[in-house]
Formats: sequence, structure tokens, C-alpha cells
Amino acid sequence: GESVGLHLPTLSVQEGDNSIINCAYSNSASDYFIWYKQESGKGPQFIIDIRSNMDKRQGQRVTVLLNKTVKHLSLQIAATQPGDSAVYFCAETAGQGAQKLVFGQGTRLTINP
Amino acid sequence: DSGVTQTPKHLITATGQRVTLRCSPRSGDLSVYWYQQSLDQGLQFLIQYYNGEERAKGNILERFSAQQFPDLHSELNLSSLELGDSALYFCASSTGPYTGELFFGEGSRLTVL
Repeated sequence: GESVGLHLPTLSVQEGDNSIINCAYSNSASDYFIWYKQESGKGPQFIIDIRSNMDKRQGQRVTVLLNKTVKHLSLQIAATQPGDSAVYFCAETAGQGAQKLVFGQGTRLTINP
Repeated sequence: DSGVTQTPKHLITATGQRVTLRCSPRSGDLSVYWYQQSLDQGLQFLIQYYNGEERAKGNILERFSAQQFPDLHSELNLSSLELGDSALYFCASSTGPYTGELFFGEGSRLTVL
């Protein structure tokens, strides 16, 4: 069945360093992947998405990498700032857009000053 | 501010009771999604509506029901409440049914005592 998991539940980085948040998925039929950020007391916020016909996509200070061979997804945040502190969720779906979006458990990113 | 409005923000009730959670999507969005987020759990997809019609169903209990009205607002009804139903309930909206970019409200925190 579908499952989306995260390698680490917590990640602590120094302010200004780059952060890498990893995610593994098991459904080889998944073709659309999304990263969400959830700050304390708020709803999740879309960060970036990538389709399976791509292996890299860049946004503002963020890059998502997709390795379909090993079913691995990562989110790289450049020059991490205090405002990046949040829980990051990866999500995946197979051919149905957001209808059956499966979210991972989340990684809590903490920024050290 | 995502533009999605959820009410109430907090709700405390007793086991066996029934509650209704309300969601107003972003202006122009036709799709509404409901998610449940329990303590230390990821986001569990419950149900999706598109322009008034049910589009997809996730792990929604039979005690739960939802609908989307002609003005596109949605309500999630939770009945015969149990302690385990205590959670954050998020509503999200999107422009169409096939995008992964969902706009989440700030959630309704339900506590069942």
C-alpha cells in the first residue's frame, strides 16, 4: 500500500546553514510530490511540488530533489533562517492530484542561533 | 493568511455528542478538503468536495459526514463523539481537483472529554 515516511523526526541546524529534509515513499505509482510547512498553531502551507517527470525543481531558497530509483524525495533549504522553524511534511499522490494526497509524519526543523 | 476560514477555532464537548465544523474556502476555489491531525500524527485525508459534489473519500468514519453547499462553504459533522476523535481538523481549498497546492485554514481544535 501507499506509505510516505521521513527518515528523521527532528532536525536541528545552525542559522545560515543549509537544511536537508528527507522523505521516502513506497508507492512506485506515485507521480506527484509536494512539500508542506506547518508552523506552530497554523495550518500547513504549500512550499513546492514536483512531478515524476522531473528530478529537480527550484523555488525561492528551496530545492526539491526526486530520486525515483530509490523512491526518495528531499527538500533543501538554503541559508536557513529562524522563520524556517516548522514541521515539514512531504506528501505524495498517484495520478489523482490532491484527491488522495498522503502526508508523511513530518520532520521538525529547529534553527539554532 | 491563506484565505480559508474555519470556525470554531476551539471546541470542547463530551463523548456521545455531535458537533459541526464549518469552512469557507478561498474566494473562487471550488474544491474543499477535510483533514484530521491527531497529536503526533500526520495529516489524514477525510473527504473532498468539488463544486458541491463529493469527489474523493479517505479514512472518514461512518460517524462523520460532510457536505459542500451551493455557496461553496463546507461543513464537517462529527457525531457520537469518542475520546479518540480529539484532534485538529483542517479544511483546505484549491482552485481545481487536480492540484497539490492546497490552501489550509488554521484548523478547528476539537477536544472530547
